[in-house]
Amino acid sequence: DIQMTQSPSSLSASVGDRVTITCRASQSISGYLNWYQQKPGKAPKLLIYAASTLQTGVPSRFSGSGSGTDFTLTISSLQPEDFATYYCQQSYSIPTFGQGTRLEIK
Amino acid sequence: QLQLQESGPGLVKPSETLSLTCTVSGGSISSSSYYWGWIRQPPGKGLEWIASIYHSGSTDYNPSLKSRVTISVDTSKNQFSLKLSSVTAADTAVYYCARHRGSAVAGRGIDYWGQGTLVTVSS
Repeated sequence: DIQMTQSPSSLSASVGDRVTITCRASQSISGYLNWYQQKPGKAPKLLIYAASTLQTGVPSRFSGSGSGTDFTLTISSLQPEDFATYYCQQSYSIPTFGQGTRLEIK
Repeated sequence: QLQLQESGPGLVKPSETLSLTCTVSGGSISSSSYYWGWIRQPPGKGLEWIASIYHSGSTDYNPSLKSRVTISVDTSKNQFSLKLSSVTAADTAVYYCARHRGSAVAGRGIDYWGQGTLVTVSS
């Protein structure tokens, strides 16, 4: 299995802040990295696929970068609706998810 | 608009088999370029991918669950199903059905999800 490790596990931030979440793979996954947002009681929502491609309908304040083993999700200016848990997921091999990053209001 | 809906028992006894069905509406399960899969999430925990299937019947399984899992597809009903045998309390989770863009491996993300159904394993 490819292990995915996210950091931090939790993060407190304010509306308007710029936030970065990191995801590291235990081996190279090329660009096969996807990001999801999950709100309590809801299914995850695809934000970014192939490391840096924004899913249709996702606001442009979300961006992704990276390749190989190290990836980042950046939210340029936090909005109230962005407080949620974020997961990375590799699709280079049998899919695995990171443990999640909980983004809370400061 | 594509919709996925899980159905099945919310309570399963230990050692028995968990069975869930996902009904796809607003699109065809036989569409090319999409695989269909199951993901689960224990209460308060992270996501675990279980299995995926193509309309032709081609499958992929999570190695850690493979010995207990069967995924199948019924294109005539636009449904796919999950069976998980010999369940224990550790299998208690919200189970999501979902659509993969491309295959689960080398794909472009999971873009449609069902609302999820909580399955509790308890006697």
